[in-house]
Amino acid sequence: DSGVTQTPKHLITATGQRVTLRCSPRSGDLSVYWYQQSLDQGLQFLIQYYNGEERAKGNILERFSAQQFPDLHSELNLSSLELGDSALYFCASSRRGSSLGYNEQFFGPGTRLTVL
Amino acid sequence: GQQVMQIPQYQHVQEGEDFTTYCNSSTTLSNIQWYKQRPGGHPVFLIQLVKSGEVKKQKRLTFQFGEAKKNSSLHITATQTTDVGTYFCAVPRDTGNQFYFGTGTSLTVIP
Repeated sequence: DSGVTQTPKHLITATGQRVTLRCSPRSGDLSVYWYQQSLDQGLQFLIQYYNGEERAKGNILERFSAQQFPDLHSELNLSSLELGDSALYFCASSRRGSSLGYNEQFFGPGTRLTVL
Repeated sequence: GQQVMQIPQYQHVQEGEDFTTYCNSSTTLSNIQWYKQRPGGHPVFLIQLVKSGEVKKQKRLTFQFGEAKKNSSLHITATQTTDVGTYFCAVPRDTGNQFYFGTGTSLTVIP
C-alpha cells in the first residue's frame, strides 16, 4: 500500500460524458502528478500540482482539467469523452515538487476508465 | 527535444536466467529513477541514481548509471517468477518539474 488513494477503481461511461477522478496523496506529500496509461502509449504525464498550484503540464488535452484543493487532494476532470480516452489513470504523489533532486513518486492503484 | 529509449520492449527468460533492460537518453541527465509495475498493479519506485558511473545493488537487482549520465541499466541475476512485470525508467524533463517515463520493458519469466 503506497498510501495514495484513488477513487473510483473502475468507471464505465459513454462517449460525450464527463467524469471526475479523485486522488488523495500520501500524508505530508505536497506534489500530485496525474498519468495516463494505455496499452500503446505507456505512462504519459498529464499534469502536476504542488501545494495547490499547477506546477507543470504534459500531454494533457484541453478537454481535461485538474485541480488540487487546500487539503491537497486532487481531482482530474475529463469531459467530452471519446473512445480513445479509455485507459488507466494513475495519480502519484511526492514530498517535493522538483524532479532535480531525490523525489520518489508513490503511485495510487489507478482508476480504469472505459468509454463505450 | 528530449528523448528516452528503453530496450528491449519485451523479454522472455527461463527462470534462473539473467535479465537486463537499458534506458538511453539523448541528453545528459541529472538523475534517473527505476520503477516496477506488476501485472494489474501500479508502478512502484525501485531506486534513484544520481552520480556518474554509480552502481547500486538491491539483492539480485543491479542498477547502473552511465559515466556520461546519458544511459542506465537494470540487471536481474537469476530471475524468479516474482520478477515478472514491466520495468520503467523515469528521467527529469527539461523543465525540472516532472518526469518522463520510458516505454518500459515487459519481463516474462518462464518457470
